[in-house]
Amino acid sequence: DTEVTQTPKHLVMGMTNKKSLKCEQHMGHRAMYWYKQKAKKPPELMFVYSYEKLSINESVPSRFSPECPNSSLLNLHLHALQPEDSALYLCASSHPTGRGARTEAFFGQGTRLTVV
Amino acid sequence: AQRVTQPEKLLSVFKGAPVELKCNYSYSGSPELFWYVQYSRQRLQLLLRHISRESIKGFTADLNKGETSFHLKKPFAQEEDSAMYYCALSWGTDKLIFGTGTRLQVFP
Repeated sequence: DTEVTQTPKHLVMGMTNKKSLKCEQHMGHRAMYWYKQKAKKPPELMFVYSYEKLSINESVPSRFSPECPNSSLLNLHLHALQPEDSALYLCASSHPTGRGARTEAFFGQGTRLTVV
Repeated sequence: AQRVTQPEKLLSVFKGAPVELKCNYSYSGSPELFWYVQYSRQRLQLLLRHISRESIKGFTADLNKGETSFHLKKPFAQEEDSAMYYCALSWGTDKLIFGTGTRLQVFP
């Protein structure tokens, strides 16, 4: 299984709602990523988990809260979002292979989030 | 700061023409460079990486540390090559950032 699975595919939420995005991989990868991608823009790195610990937070607002409950799962908890947070949220995973190298990053299809 | 630059937003060629998608990066250490591709309605996927030094779907890319470039080339473009191409830079063991992307359009 070389897939990264994201649910839901689409999500519409109000500014006062709390919702979560989920990501799952069964490739044994120990690095997992959240990216945000606006229309016609490249993916922007938000968070990286390495061996289930948060290793990188790219100064993301606290209304986005990541969680890595185990090596296969990655969540992104959303609360009090703004309309400008509407975007495609991508999850990815990869694995360090030693000597500073890593496998390629495998990406999910993304969750298209609309904040109303 | 580390950065990846792709100067062309759009590159249009006819089938059979050579293609070169430019990528420059800024990083003082030993980077890993990748090209990712996103076909219409498909997920982002790896096309090739510099440490593999292989040709995928006829594409090649050579890392030039002197010019800090990692340009993607193909001698004869095909219509099915039409897609969004992102150059990406990784360093340390965790960080992976993307350039702004180049949309390649191959006309019949």
